[in-house]
Amino acid sequence: GQQVMQIPQYQHVQEGEDFTTYCNSSTTLSNIQWYKQRPGGHPVFLIQLVKSGEVKKQKRLTFQFGEAKKNSSLHITATQTTDVGTYFCAGFDGSSNTGKLIFGQGTTLQVKP
Amino acid sequence: DAGITQSPRHKVTETGTPVTLRCHQTENHRYMYWYRQDPGHGLRLIHYSYGVKDTDKGEVSDGYSVSRSKTEDFLLTLESATSSQTSVYFCAIRRSDEQFFGPGTRLTVL
Repeated sequence: GQQVMQIPQYQHVQEGEDFTTYCNSSTTLSNIQWYKQRPGGHPVFLIQLVKSGEVKKQKRLTFQFGEAKKNSSLHITATQTTDVGTYFCAGFDGSSNTGKLIFGQGTTLQVKP
Repeated sequence: DAGITQSPRHKVTETGTPVTLRCHQTENHRYMYWYRQDPGHGLRLIHYSYGVKDTDKGEVSDGYSVSRSKTEDFLLTLESATSSQTSVYFCAIRRSDEQFFGPGTRLTVL
């Protein structure tokens, strides 16, 4: 079945350093979504990318969707302690009609002040 | 936060006992989902619903059943809990393409 792989699983950075997490799908995705989960919290939707090669920015966060729509990345510039948490990518499982998402395993970011 | 609540928030139970988790939403969204979250596995879909009495299986549905008799409530039942079902359970609703999650239920099966 469809799989979404995410690397790395963990990342420790010094505050101010950059951070990138990568997401790869075994099949072409209609779109890719990114979620953030703070420690002890629930996942929160960040963004959705739909177009091949699409790049979107939210302040220090840059999201990219690959040309083949099989991979995506999230880059954080100059990390802050508020960036701590687990970042998940997710793609629709087959048709988007059901809204079923396949999530990557997540990348947990720790930021040392 | 899309008006989603889950109950109970924490539960400890023993192997072999039945357990029901409740998800309640206040915004009349058609689609609702139950996920479990385990270290190293991310979020895995258990069951989902696309309307009252309309449900379907996700990727890890064995040992779980669901019911949706009202739009606002989606129940997840573990007929006979096992230690492998110790996990954090999240309910979610779909608004457009986005999913909004409830606060989660931490279930421990001893």
